[in-house]
Amino acid sequence: GAVVSQHPSWVICKSGTSVKIECRSLDFQATTMFWYRQFPKQSLMLMATSNEGSKATYEQGVEKDKFLINHASLTLSTLTVTSAHPEDSSFYICSARDFGEDTQYFGPGTRLTVL
Amino acid sequence: QKEVEQDPGPLSVPEGAIVSLNCTYSNSAFQYFMWYRQYSRKGPELLMYTYSSGNKEDGRFTAQVDKSSKYISLFIRDSQPSDSATYLCAMSASGNFNKFYFGSGTKLNVKP
Repeated sequence: GAVVSQHPSWVICKSGTSVKIECRSLDFQATTMFWYRQFPKQSLMLMATSNEGSKATYEQGVEKDKFLINHASLTLSTLTVTSAHPEDSSFYICSARDFGEDTQYFGPGTRLTVL
Repeated sequence: QKEVEQDPGPLSVPEGAIVSLNCTYSNSAFQYFMWYRQYSRKGPELLMYTYSSGNKEDGRFTAQVDKSSKYISLFIRDSQPSDSATYLCAMSASGNFNKFYFGSGTKLNVKP
């Protein structure tokens, strides 16, 4: 149980374009989803937290207009990187938590490369 | 001072060795402690989860929490090359499961 998927696993895009990453909880209802960013050899950096049907809460320093998060259903959240630039290249990981659960389950991550 | 400190390693051991991975923390409100294993270019996988102080064992893995010292450990017995990965500790305060504090991760290499 507690499986979280992400799609795509790897995406390459041109500078200035937008990229959408999907995060799905496959066997449980994710009342809360989280988006993290991870740089090489570094730990996870929380970008934002979203509850189903509500606006996401962004961490300090994360541009909400650049990283659009939608959590429209209990099993799906999307992260859209708008007008991507090379400095946005990173490993993006989502995680999900069901109400009443006290831990998070992570997706496999999406590697974004912006040329 | 970071909330959670973890030695980044790398830690290199021969196959079959007992591995000890550790984290220290500063916030006495932390009650929930997790260990995640992350293979290269993959998402973290939950390995162990403990609440408050004490030990928890699952197969070759033992998680230990010492709240008085603000110190947690993960022991791996009979380590295998497949255990080679980065191990992340994470913790949260009671009632706030939306905020996890992660260590920086320890890279483990088990040599055959």
